[in-house]
Amino acid sequence: GENVEQHPSTLSVQEGDSAVIKCTYSDSASNYFPWYKQELGKRPQLIIDIRSNVGEKKDQRIAVTLNKTAKHFSLHITETQPEDSAVYFCAATDTGGFKTIFGAGTRLFVKA
Amino acid sequence: EAGVAQSPRYKIIEKRQSVAFWCNPISGHATLYWYQQILGQGPKLLIQFQNNGVVDDSQLPKDRFSAERLKGVDSTLKIQPAKLEDSAVYLCASSSRDTQYFGPGTRLTVL
Repeated sequence: GENVEQHPSTLSVQEGDSAVIKCTYSDSASNYFPWYKQELGKRPQLIIDIRSNVGEKKDQRIAVTLNKTAKHFSLHITETQPEDSAVYFCAATDTGGFKTIFGAGTRLFVKA
Repeated sequence: EAGVAQSPRYKIIEKRQSVAFWCNPISGHATLYWYQQILGQGPKLLIQFQNNGVVDDSQLPKDRFSAERLKGVDSTLKIQPAKLEDSAVYLCASSSRDTQYFGPGTRLTVL
């Protein structure tokens, strides 16, 4: 079946460093790729998303890149801060939002 | 605008008992989703509604789980009877297009 693979499962960085999380999807019909941040005991919150007609999108310290040919997309966090520590999920959604598949998540630790 | 509402926030039951969860989506959102999130894993879709019709329930264990969205707004998810492995957070989400917004979830513990 369709799936989304996410790597790494755990990532530990020093405050101020950059963090990169990568996802690969299998459904070629996917055209919308959101990223969610989930803090302990809280709901997933959308932090950035990208659609298939765009290769890169940036919002302050967060950026997402998409390579549709390779079916890869990545989340980049620059100048990491302790409050960035959380679990990050990528997802891939097909046209019309009829099918969304989530990655298994990356637990990010930012050490002060 | 108000977000997705869910209740209860926490529920503890014994195995073989039944339980129901309620979700009120963001006003105007036609699509409603129920996810199961086991500790340490990503959300797994149980069922997706478009208005009051089911779009996808392929991963819903239909022998024990049921869900409805009779008037195309609120939704309930029921488990009967519960098993130990049903212990998880049950997340409801809604969308008007493709961006999903999540509720706070219901943490279910089955003893």
